[in-house]
Parts: sequence; structure tokens; C-alpha cells
Amino acid sequence: QKEVEQNSGPLSVPEGAIASLNCTYSDRVSQSFFWYRQYSGKSPELIMSIYSNGDKEDGRFTAQLNKASQYVSLLIRDSQPSDSATYLCAVIPSQGNLIFGKGTKLSVKP
Amino acid sequence: DAGVIQSPRHEVTEMGQEVTLRCKPISGHDYLFWYRQTMMRGLELLIYFNNNVPIDDSGMPEDRFSAKMPNASFSTLKIQPSEPRDSAVYFCASSLGYTGAEAFFGQGTRLTVV
Repeated sequence: QKEVEQNSGPLSVPEGAIASLNCTYSDRVSQSFFWYRQYSGKSPELIMSIYSNGDKEDGRFTAQLNKASQYVSLLIRDSQPSDSATYLCAVIPSQGNLIFGKGTKLSVKP
Repeated sequence: DAGVIQSPRHEVTEMGQEVTLRCKPISGHDYLFWYRQTMMRGLELLIYFNNNVPIDDSGMPEDRFSAKMPNASFSTLKIQPSEPRDSAVYFCASSLGYTGAEAFFGQGTRLTVV
């Protein structure tokens, strides 16, 4: 059973701090990794993708991938209240379709 | 483009009734995905189509669920008969090419079966 695991949270950080969201996956040969943001009552939207080990930065967001540890993370710098949402980690395994984690709820306090 | 359009936005029905959810993908997109989201199971892929042809329906939970795509601009997900455990938010998404991870999601249909 291929799985994607996330801490459900809620993760609470003060405005301006760094929020760190973590995800582990079970399929060792997965190659594609994604982070989605989902506001309450809304649909998921893709915010980051990463395919190789290391860091990928896009504005205030940094995705980090460590395939040896089967670990992917999302850092949000200078967190804003508007970042408060549920963040879904998703993985495309070696065989099969996109698998989502259950998400981590982030709350950024003003 | 208006994006992926789903209807209805909310549906409340009684157990045993037939439920039909509708989706209009983004014009020109050749892949269409149906997802279900619950607190317990998260976001799960039910079925996806390529050029109106079902490609993988392994996520469809039971024979009570069926999906069709009669043309490039319309798809339905039908549950017959519905059960309380089918209560969830159902999302439709579409993409150009099998970039399933980069598909655009509709706003979802919140289904409640009582």
C-alpha cells in the first residue's frame, strides 16, 4: 500500500515566522512530489513541485526533497495570516496515480 | 475561461436515492479527473478520462459508483443507490496532457446523504 503521511496539525506559527511542513512517503522509487494549498471550503491548488534532491525556492516558499529519507518538506518564510490553510503533500509513485496525504492545517496568528 | 465548473455545489439526499454530480472541464483540456475528499481518507482519485475514454477506474469504491464522459465538455459521476458513507466533497479536475498533479480543480460538490 503506497502511502503519504503528514501530521494533521494544527500547526500554529506567529506572523513573520517560518512555517515548516513535513511529509513522508512509502514508495522508495517515487520521482515526483507536490505541495498543494487548500483554503477552508475551497479546492486544492498546486503551489510547488519538486523532482530532484535538494531545495527548490519560489518566492516565500521552499520545497525540500530527500529521497534517501523518503521525506519532503515545505518551508514558508515570513508567514502571513493569508497562508492559513491546509497544505497537502502529494506523490506520484513508481506505478499508479497521484497519491495525496491528508494534509496539515496551518494557522498563522497575527 | 471560467475554469472547471461543477454542479451542484451542495447536494443533500436521502439514503437510497440516486445522485448525479456534473462537471464541465476547461475547454481544450484532454484529461478529466474525479476525486473524493473526506476527513478520514483525505483526497482520493476515483477515476480519470483521456479524450472522453475512461483510463483508470480503480479508485471507484463500489459498483454503486459510475462515471461517464459523453463529450469533451461534460462528465457525470453517479451514485446509485447512495449511502450515508458516501457523504464527502467530490472534486472534478482537468488538465492538458497527463499532468495529473497540475490539473485545475473545480470548486467541488459537497454531498450529504442522510
